[in-house]
Amino acid sequence: DQQVKQNSPSLSVQEGRISILNCDYTNSMFDYFLWYKKYPAEGPTFLISISSIKDKNEDGRFTVFLNKSAKHLSLHIVPSQPGDSAVYFCAAVTGSGNTGKLIFGQGTTLQVKP
Amino acid sequence: NAGVMQNPRHLVRRRGQEARLRCSPMKGHSHVYWYRQLPEEGLKFMVYLQKENIIDESGMPKERFSAEFPKEGPSILRIQQVVRGDSAAYFCASSPGLGQGNQPQHFGDGTRLSIL
Repeated sequence: DQQVKQNSPSLSVQEGRISILNCDYTNSMFDYFLWYKKYPAEGPTFLISISSIKDKNEDGRFTVFLNKSAKHLSLHIVPSQPGDSAVYFCAAVTGSGNTGKLIFGQGTTLQVKP
Repeated sequence: NAGVMQNPRHLVRRRGQEARLRCSPMKGHSHVYWYRQLPEEGLKFMVYLQKENIIDESGMPKERFSAEFPKEGPSILRIQQVVRGDSAAYFCASSPGLGQGNQPQHFGDGTRLSIL
């Protein structure tokens, strides 16, 4: 049962333009959503998160939007830079109980062309 | 670098051998998580530990896999009698609290396990 889905395996954008990465989820009990960026042969690096009680969170070039009714979130990167080329993972966590396990999507490979 | 340290970075084992993967959390972090990434897939949760306690092992295979986080020393993920299907990247993460959105988990660079 894939609770977090990233349906686009890859995305290619031109440098300076906007990158939009999408993520859908099925579990309405998720409390936080996070985006991680991963380069080859490295571990995931935390980018930005959003609480389920918010609909937008912004940090520099990165903005995450949450649409709870559609169970959908997206990560916007603007302007995109070649160094942003990486695999982006959407993840979700439930805040109840005593577990902090992250449920990850399959990832989207972003390529930013110079 | 005070990040999450995993070793070894690469580990090669023959079928039937044992694999031991180590993880030292970030300074000040007492919560450790192990995840596994199979080729072309996302990371899958395996186990969540605090010092000397397993909090959630719902993602851990019932046989051959075990994890510990002793009072002193790193967390260890142990795989006994490895099989080809165990070949994957194993990532460790740590957090100071429950690892919720305002206290994100920080990941190490992983151990890539190859089974011959």
